[in-house]
Amino acid sequence: DAGVIQSPRHEVTEMGQEVTLRCKPISGHDYLFWYRQTMMRGLELLIYFNNNVPIDDSGMPEDRFSAKMPNASFSTLKIQPSEPRDSAVYFCASSLWFGAGSSYEQYFGPGTRLTVT
Amino acid sequence: AQRVTQPEKLLSVFKGAPVELKCNYSYSGSPELFWYVQYSRQRLQLLLRHISRESIKGFTADLNKGETSFHLKKPFAQEEDSAMYYCALEGPGQNFVFGPGTRLSVLP
Repeated sequence: DAGVIQSPRHEVTEMGQEVTLRCKPISGHDYLFWYRQTMMRGLELLIYFNNNVPIDDSGMPEDRFSAKMPNASFSTLKIQPSEPRDSAVYFCASSLWFGAGSSYEQYFGPGTRLTVT
Repeated sequence: AQRVTQPEKLLSVFKGAPVELKCNYSYSGSPELFWYVQYSRQRLQLLLRHISRESIKGFTADLNKGETSFHLKKPFAQEEDSAMYYCALEGPGQNFVFGPGTRLSVLP
């Protein structure tokens, strides 16, 4: 298994443009997480899905951000319109929950480095 | 609200010296705590979890509920331990909160 796959690895765009980040979780995993990493704020959870359903999007910074998971093998994080302050590394992670009382591991993708000029 | 703090942004130690990376948390329930590590040019990955009470690569971490801490320790640091370390707390519904991270630099 190649692990969690993210694309693109680097994205440079101009302010106001739409940006779409993509993630393919590990096959069989039932949780998918989107994180943003910045020097100032560290690693922040933006949104997570369980069985393709968004569970908690309280970390999404504002309405310009949206995320979808149309099926178990694909998710997108979209920023429209993008702003310079959105520049960060965006990570996707997936995991498999074994049930109540279990503690599970998140598997992270390599991240997408987004630069908005 | 859940919160994880790591007071040191950067920690430098010499090879062979003991190392302790501090982590404190605030959480009203019974916490599930983790340490994640990111080596240079590698993905963020799980190092250890408190529920397993395991030792990975010589690292251990003990949950101290009285002090609300989950410090990461290793008796003899190695150069290959140099990395970014994140303490994380799993809240209700698999809602994760990560600390700001500590960069460990092990000097030769």
